[in-house]
Amino acid sequence: DAGVTQSPTHLIKTRGQQVTLRCSPKSGHDTVSWYQQALGQGPQFIFQYYEEEERQRGNFPDRFSGHQFPNYSSELNVNALLLGDSALYLCASSLAAGRRISGANVLTFGAGSRLTVL
Amino acid sequence: GESVGLHLPTLSVQEGDNSIINCAYSNSASDYFIWYKQESGKGPQFIIDIRSNMDKRQGQRVTVLLNKTVKHLSLQIAATQPGDSAVYFCAENTDSYDKVIFGPGTSLSVIP
Repeated sequence: DAGVTQSPTHLIKTRGQQVTLRCSPKSGHDTVSWYQQALGQGPQFIFQYYEEEERQRGNFPDRFSGHQFPNYSSELNVNALLLGDSALYLCASSLAAGRRISGANVLTFGAGSRLTVL
Repeated sequence: GESVGLHLPTLSVQEGDNSIINCAYSNSASDYFIWYKQESGKGPQFIIDIRSNMDKRQGQRVTVLLNKTVKHLSLQIAATQPGDSAVYFCAENTDSYDKVIFGPGTSLSVIP
């Protein structure tokens, strides 16, 4: 059973460019969350998608957008890249609250996409 | 606002000793707490979790303690092994939402 898969694993962009990162959730999961992890810091919540809609959003500008497809996979788009966007972008999948066993593990993470902005 | 923080950013322990990693949280509405382990080049991996109606939960070589009075969480690793070297994050969640908030992490180094 494949876990969460993300692509690409590494990529380099220049300031002002746009990037799209992709995520396939763990089989059976229907919710996808995206996190940004700067070097030496904990993951910061960007947003969460459920039923193809953004359900929750963290403190990130509108340059960060996403999409969820009917097969539950998801994309993260970042426009007008800044140097400060350089980070590991993590995708995590879960089963929506109310459908999982109470207290069960919430998130399963992928290995991430390492974005470097030059 | 919501926040989860760690007291010790780095921790070095001798192989075979017990490790204790501490965490403070500020959101009294959080009712579910998780410890994650992140090895270099990998995403966070679930270790153990605990709900707010519990004070202690044990797994294989790991124990999580929750003190709601002082909003404190700890992870105990028994007989620490070199494979335990990683960054450990505590995280919190409220059951109404799936958003999980992470602390800054503690880097654990095991000395052979």
